[in-house]
Amino acid sequence: ILNVEQSPQSLHVQEGDSTNFTCSFPSSNFYALHWYRWETAKSPEALFVMTLNGDEKKKGRISATLNTKEGYSYLYIKGSQPEDSATYLCAFYRLGDDKIIFGKGTRLHILP
Amino acid sequence: EPEVTQTPSHQVTQMGQEVILRCVPISNHLYFYWYRQILGQKVEFLVSFYNNEISEKSEIFDDQFSVERPDGSNFTLKIRSTKLEDSAMYFCASSELTGPDIYGYTFGSGTRLTVV
Repeated sequence: ILNVEQSPQSLHVQEGDSTNFTCSFPSSNFYALHWYRWETAKSPEALFVMTLNGDEKKKGRISATLNTKEGYSYLYIKGSQPEDSATYLCAFYRLGDDKIIFGKGTRLHILP
Repeated sequence: EPEVTQTPSHQVTQMGQEVILRCVPISNHLYFYWYRQILGQKVEFLVSFYNNEISEKSEIFDDQFSVERPDGSNFTLKIRSTKLEDSAMYFCASSELTGPDIYGYTFGSGTRLTVV
């Protein structure tokens, strides 16, 4: 059974502060790691797809890093804004599979 | 921007009834998926579909479930005889490529299925 773990489950951050959270996944048979942003009543939206150990990707104030050897990825948000409030999902793609497996998500609340 | 469309947004059904959840994937995508999320739990994989056949399915996807792409645009999930534990949000997704697809999956906004 593939285990994709995200921590923390929930996070409250003051507007303007920076934050980060973690996704851990099996380090064997790694193929890709996806990050999605999921706002209430909307569809999950792809943020990053990461494939190489040491990858760093950035989209505006959001960035992510990847360590495939130890099986973790960090998502960073710089200068949090109210519109960053959402659930952030990571999903692991194992070599040979035709699917991604999700973690339970980190629910981020930005406090005004 | 192209979207994955799901209908209906919410369906209530009696236990034992058949339901069909509908999805229109992005037109140039080749790979299609169904996922579901039971309230408070992880988003779970159900099935992947490529070239008009199932490419992978999970343990959840038993004989009560089936998928079809009847007309080249719609992608449907049928549950033959619904159970209370089938109540969940069902998401359809599509992708242009498989493997380390640089774009990720495009998800619909889901169908909330409530079995009573």
